Amino acid sequence: AQRVTQPEKLLSVFKGAPVELKCNYSYSGSPELFWYVQYSRQRLQLLLRHISRESIKGFTADLNKGETSFHLKKPFAQEEDSAMYYCAPGGGKVTFGTGTKLQVIP
Amino acid sequence: ETGVTQSPTHLIKTRGQQVTLRCSSQSGHNTVSWYQQALGQGPQFIFQYYREEENGRGNFPPRFSGLQFPNYSSELNVNALELDDSALYLCASSPLAGGSHEQYFGPGTRLTVT
Repeated sequence: AQRVTQPEKLLSVFKGAPVELKCNYSYSGSPELFWYVQYSRQRLQLLLRHISRESIKGFTADLNKGETSFHLKKPFAQEEDSAMYYCAPGGGKVTFGTGTKLQVIP
Repeated sequence: ETGVTQSPTHLIKTRGQQVTLRCSSQSGHNTVSWYQQALGQGPQFIFQYYREEENGRGNFPPRFSGLQFPNYSSELNVNALELDDSALYLCASSPLAGGSHEQYFGPGTRLTVT
């Protein structure tokens, strides 16, 4: 079974500082991983899918098979990035972790 | 393209009662997953339906049951409600079961059991 771990429950950074939200996975084979975001009072929504290697809202995430990681990064944090972030495998039959709350300090 | 919708938005029930929550999947999606999100926690997988059949189940007791209809909409039924069932219930649809596809979430139904 695919499992992911987000070691940080809360990450506070100043506006303009770089952001890295950590996600580690355990899976034998080629994982399919996603980042979801939940802004205050909004529904959970897809942020990034690793397979497309796209950048959304300035965020990128690279799958590192050697380190079994899929960290989410942004070079310069903005206040509107404050939200809950969840890393999750694909397939839709997984329990999400507790996520990481990103707090961007003005 | 219509997104995932859920009804009702909020619901208050008494312990021991039964509840039915509804979900309409996004157009073109044939897979629906249900999640329970307690306060301060991430979504916990309840079960998934693909083409009207249960296609996987999380660690939830049998009093949590579901249905999927030919139009791919879905229901979550919970019998003998307990106080701990109070949570946000999320429905998510995706275009293909078991495959590595992203999920599209509804706004959720907030269930309060008193």
